[in-house]
Amino acid sequence: DTAVSQTPKYLVTQMGNDKSIKCEQNLGHDTMYWYKQDSKKFLKIMFSYNNKELIINETVPNRFSPKSPDKAHLNLHINSLELGDSAVYFCASSQGVGTGNEQFFGPGTRLTVL
Amino acid sequence: AQSVTQLDSQVPVFEEAPVELRCNYSSSVSVYLFWYVQYPNQGLQLLLKYLSGSTLVKGINGFEAEFNKSQTSFHLRKPSVHISDTAEYFCALFNDYKLSFGAGTTVTVRA
Repeated sequence: DTAVSQTPKYLVTQMGNDKSIKCEQNLGHDTMYWYKQDSKKFLKIMFSYNNKELIINETVPNRFSPKSPDKAHLNLHINSLELGDSAVYFCASSQGVGTGNEQFFGPGTRLTVL
Repeated sequence: AQSVTQLDSQVPVFEEAPVELRCNYSSSVSVYLFWYVQYPNQGLQLLLKYLSGSTLVKGINGFEAEFNKSQTSFHLRKPSVHISDTAEYFCALFNDYKLSFGAGTTVTVRA
């Protein structure tokens, strides 16, 4: 049983294209996140939604737009892809935004922009 | 501003030897600290966390960490590693609804 799933696992595309990554969690959590892991494996939060409301929006280019149709889904749409967007994108979820709440991570989506 | 520094980028270790991964933090408020592990081509998995109480925290797979407020550290240890412990390890600090991660430590276990 997959707890946090992401599609696709790999995404190869040309500069300038628009692409989406989908995330779904079946844990019943109310908070979801998007992280970006760069080529040096540095992880940084991008967005977080709690009960479908945006609560964290880091300094991310506005080409990136998250959408949460319901508490179990958080999608990431990227417009006008650039070479620097190449990275692994991780979705995560937790129950609430409290300090001790474990975040469960998906397997990641490796995005390669050519 | 809160931040986390992992002092070792790579740690090679022989099987059945002990390992320690160092993590220092900077925070002006109460700290909540985590260690996550990332196995090759996988997402992150929680090893352990410190929220309050006992400074020695035990986690999964035989790992433990000690919170030291005076030294602002949260080092991770395992007394005897296995080949399967080869992975990337991340220390993280929770503040303002989000986790801030260190740069990671690559642990390579050799037979």
